[in-house]
Amino acid sequence: AQSVTQPDIHITVSEGASLELRCNYSYGATPYLFWYVQSPGQGLQLLLKYFSGDTLVQGIKGFEAEFKRSQSSFNLRKPSVHWSDAAEYFCAVGPYNQGGKLIFGQGTELSVKP
Amino acid sequence: ETGVTQTPRHLVMGMTNKKSLKCEQHLGHNAMYWYKQSAKKPLELMFVYNFKEQTENNSVPSRFSPECPNSSHLFLHLHTLQPEDSALYLCASSHRGTSGGAQETQYFGPGTRLLVL
Repeated sequence: AQSVTQPDIHITVSEGASLELRCNYSYGATPYLFWYVQSPGQGLQLLLKYFSGDTLVQGIKGFEAEFKRSQSSFNLRKPSVHWSDAAEYFCAVGPYNQGGKLIFGQGTELSVKP
Repeated sequence: ETGVTQTPRHLVMGMTNKKSLKCEQHLGHNAMYWYKQSAKKPLELMFVYNFKEQTENNSVPSRFSPECPNSSHLFLHLHTLQPEDSALYLCASSHRGTSGGAQETQYFGPGTRLLVL
């Protein structure tokens, strides 16, 4: 069955520290991969996406993610976290030719210490 | 207005009430979606509309009734809801091309926070 796993429910980092949020997927073919961010009381904002090509993708707000097929992973990274990055982060997989259906992970809540 | 808008942003209703959630997209997209986001659970896809035709109903109870009068507007009609239906309801839209849904990016609205008493 298709699934997305975000192993970390909650992560706390200090402001200025680096960040890596993990995402693993289970899917039989090439997935299309997304990271979204949700601030409290808001909808989901697209950070970045991977469809094909270069496996290191750049997104908004200084985020990047790397697709590793051998590890079935699409981890999100940021070299220096800002207090405004505190939010919930969702990884999603968009299987091919399934009418735009997205499968989401459970989310990782990021807290930033001053 | 730009992007995807949703009204109302907050809604409190009793179990016998009838209410509707509205979503409007200003992106020129032709596919629209309803998701349910409950606390501590992954987002659940409820309905998908493609060119105003419903293409997915993810085993949603009949007390939720979607309506898509055109490719810019999507409604979710609610009646005789249960307290466990309290959640954030998110609308999204995307551009449906010829790839059957692959390589699409969904853009989300801010959601309607629903509380059922």
